[in-house]
Formats: sequence, C-alpha cells, structure tokens
Amino acid sequence: SYVLTQPPSVSVAPGKAARITCAENNIGSKSVHWYQQKPGQAPVLVIYYDTDRPSGIPERFSGSNSGNTATLTISRVEAGDEADYYCQVWDSSSDHWVFGGGTKLTVL
Amino acid sequence: QVQLVESGGGVVQPGRSLRLSCAASGFTFSTYGMNWVRRAPGKGLEWVALIWYDGTNKYYADSVEGRFTSSRDNSKKTLYLQMNSLRAEDTAIYYCARSTTGGSSYFDSWGQGTLVTVSS
Repeated sequence: SYVLTQPPSVSVAPGKAARITCAENNIGSKSVHWYQQKPGQAPVLVIYYDTDRPSGIPERFSGSNSGNTATLTISRVEAGDEADYYCQVWDSSSDHWVFGGGTKLTVL
Repeated sequence: QVQLVESGGGVVQPGRSLRLSCAASGFTFSTYGMNWVRRAPGKGLEWVALIWYDGTNKYYADSVEGRFTSSRDNSKKTLYLQMNSLRAEDTAIYYCARSTTGGSSYFDSWGQGTLVTVSS
C-alpha cells in the first residue's frame, strides 16, 4: 500500500522559501493534494491536483510533482504560514485515501 | 457558504460505541461524497472513511474496517459515523470533510471537528 514520506519538520527564515517534500515510488503518476493545519483549526486545502491553487490561497503557495517526489513550495514565508502540512493521494489499488505523516513548518 | 458541523463526541469506555454526526448546509449535500478524517493526539491526519454521494459505495481505513460504519441521510443533510468496539487508539479529533465530487476526490471543506476520548 501507499506510504507517503514527509520530513517531520522544516524551518525557514521569514521572507525565504520553504520546500516540503512528499516521497513515494512513482508518485509523479498520482495526483497529489496538500493541506495546511494550524493549531486548534481544521485543515485547509492549499494545493490540489499537484499544482492548482484554490481561490483565497496566496500565490506564494505552489506545487510540483515528478518522479518519486511531490513538493509544496511556499515563497516569501510569513509568520502566519507556521502550520502542519500534509500531502494526500488516492490509492486506487486499495480504494483508500492516504495522507503523508505531516511536516511542521517553523518560521524562525 | 459551505458549513459542516460535527457533534456526538465525548468520553467513552473501551469496547463501547459512539455515533458521530456531521450536519451540512450551504450546498447540495446529496451530490457530494463525504469523508471522515481523524487526528490523534501528537499524530498526523488519518483518513477514516469515504461514502459516496448516494451511499452506494463506502470505503474504510484498515484500522477501522469492521468496527466503524459510515452512513448518510440526504433528506436531513447529515453524515454519520457509527463507531463500535472502541479502543484507546481511536482517541482523536474527528473531522468530516467534503469531496469535490460525488465519489473520491480531494477535500475542499472541513468541519471544526469533535473530540472522541476512549478511556476507562
């Protein structure tokens, strides 16, 4: 079954770019979605179908997916971007949704 | 606007049952697939269940298969999760989330969650 591997934590200075990876063999053949969850709040969709951004999500958020790694990139990081981020794919072989383990983004 | 409100959480002893509800408003509930997702203390998000728009197809995580049952009443715009044989590891905040299609698609709206604590 699918296991999505994310780094447990990523730290970045304000104004710099943060890159959060999601790894699995041949993930580039899947559609990857990304969610942001701040403490005490419900998750929020930030990227869908690898690269698309919902309305209301800043252009600073972007996604890519190729080969064995999908990446969420947050440009010009702000303090308000501190959150846990999760990647998600649909595993059609088991008819299960799979989430990555999550990455805690810390803004230094 | 889309609103999802979970209820039914609480403290329950191991082996007992609990039923969660998710009341939907602001959209045509009967045309969307719906999901349950949980987050245990100190852990990440875990998908629990998906039910298609008309209830004909249901899928469950291996960790809850055979113990949890998802259902829906489209006339009441409400999603349910019947949880039986509860275990300590089922302790989590449970969220309902809307798929963007009638079946399996990404989640574009989430409720605020309801806390389930399984403890003796």
